[in-house]
Amino acid sequence: EDQVTQSPEALRLQEGESSSLNCSYTVSGLRGLFWYRQDPGKGPEFLFTLYSAGEEKEKERLKATLTKKESFLHITAPKPEDSATYLCAGAGGTSYGKLTFGQGTILTVHP
Amino acid sequence: DAGVIQSPRHEVTEMGQEVTLRCKPISGHDYLFWYRQTMMRGLELLIYFNNNVPIDDSGMPEDRFSAKMPNASFSTLKIQPSEPRDSAVYFCASSFSGAGNYGYTFGSGTRLTVV
Repeated sequence: EDQVTQSPEALRLQEGESSSLNCSYTVSGLRGLFWYRQDPGKGPEFLFTLYSAGEEKEKERLKATLTKKESFLHITAPKPEDSATYLCAGAGGTSYGKLTFGQGTILTVHP
Repeated sequence: DAGVIQSPRHEVTEMGQEVTLRCKPISGHDYLFWYRQTMMRGLELLIYFNNNVPIDDSGMPEDRFSAKMPNASFSTLKIQPSEPRDSAVYFCASSFSGAGNYGYTFGSGTRLTVV
C-alpha cells in the first residue's frame, strides 16, 4: 500500500526565517510527487509536480526537491501570506491521477 | 474559467437523511475525482471517473455512498442514509490528462455535518 508521511505536523516561523518541510514516500512505481497548498476553507491549490530524483522546481519563495525516498519543500525568507497547510501527494502504478496524500504540514509565519 | 464548482458549500442534515453533493468540473477536463477530508484521515480518494466512466471506486466507504457522472459537465456524490461519521469536507477535483503534470484543480468543497 502506498504511503506518504509529512513532517513536521506544524511549523511556526518568524518572517524571513527560512526552513524546509519534509515528505517521505513509499509509492510503488512513482510517476509523480506533488505539492499543494491549502488555505482554510478552500480546496488544495496545485504548486509543483516532480517526476524523478534530482529534479527541482521553484515558484517565488518556494523550491521543491526530490530524492528516491523523500521530497523537500524549501521556503526562503517566508512572509505571513505563506501561512497555509502544505500537502504532499504521490502518484504511482498505472492508475493515472490516483494520488495518495500525506497529512500535511501547517505552516504559520509570524510578522 | 470559473474553476471547479461545488454545491452546496455547507450542508447540515439529520442522521438517516439522503444527501446529494454536486460538482461541475472545468470544461475540457477528462478526469473527475471525489475526495473526503477529515482531521483524522486527511484527504482520501473516494472514486474517480475518466470520460464520465467510473474507473476506481475502491475508496467508497460502503454501499451507502454512490457517485454518478451523467455527462462531462456534472457529477454527484450521494449518501443514503447519512450517518454522523460521514461528517467531513468533500472535495471534487478535475484534471486534463493531456496537460502532463497531473495537477488537479480542486473545488472549494462541501462541508457536510450529519447530526
